[in-house]
Amino acid sequence: GAGVSQTPSNKVTEKGKYVELRCDPISGHTALYWYRQSLGQGPEFLIYFQGTGAADDSGLPNDRFFAVRPEGSVSTLKIQRTERGDSAVYLCASSLTVWERIEDDEQFFGPGTRLTVL
Amino acid sequence: AQKVTQAQTEISVVEKEDVTLDCVYETRDTTYYLFWYKQPPSGELVFLIRRNSFDEQNEISGRYSWNFQKSTSSFNFTITASQVVDSAVYFCALSVMGGAQKLVFGQGTRLTINP
Repeated sequence: GAGVSQTPSNKVTEKGKYVELRCDPISGHTALYWYRQSLGQGPEFLIYFQGTGAADDSGLPNDRFFAVRPEGSVSTLKIQRTERGDSAVYLCASSLTVWERIEDDEQFFGPGTRLTVL
Repeated sequence: AQKVTQAQTEISVVEKEDVTLDCVYETRDTTYYLFWYKQPPSGELVFLIRRNSFDEQNEISGRYSWNFQKSTSSFNFTITASQVVDSAVYFCALSVMGGAQKLVFGQGTRLTINP
């Protein structure tokens, strides 16, 4: 399968712990997005990468959240000192490019990681 | 700032009925894109359609049709002759030019098609 993959599919942790969520985008996709979907809500934008750099991190809720994409492919979303309010499904999406051709900008979503903070 | 509102939280209909999902958006940008996504129980968001702000022509794809009206800032989605497989949560979303295709989603409408 050549879709976006995310690991783990489920993560249960205790309040105060550190977690890492991984996203493997579609091969060749330069743009990568992280969204957070709380129960009963639509996804909310967190951060966007173009290549290795975070081009827009305006959606990160606070400095406990951080994301990297060191080689321009796999990305890791890191959450420090987790809180119960961080419980949500974290979605990753990738697209071929951004704004060069709108047809190339379709975002393909992964299945998400369900994070539960006890 | 952009905002998308889907006032219908849940809709339940009997199979073969037509159903319309409402979407109202807010943006000050003149160039923007509107989307509909389907989220089945598996959780993965499935792209259905994208429209740009300069194209108000309605679109039909099989049993699906979309009505875009800038005058009312609405982008409604109609399923005709609904089927049980249409049961899912449907999201309307908006992105603006220069916004790196950052999607702003509505709250979603849970559609249940009963046999």
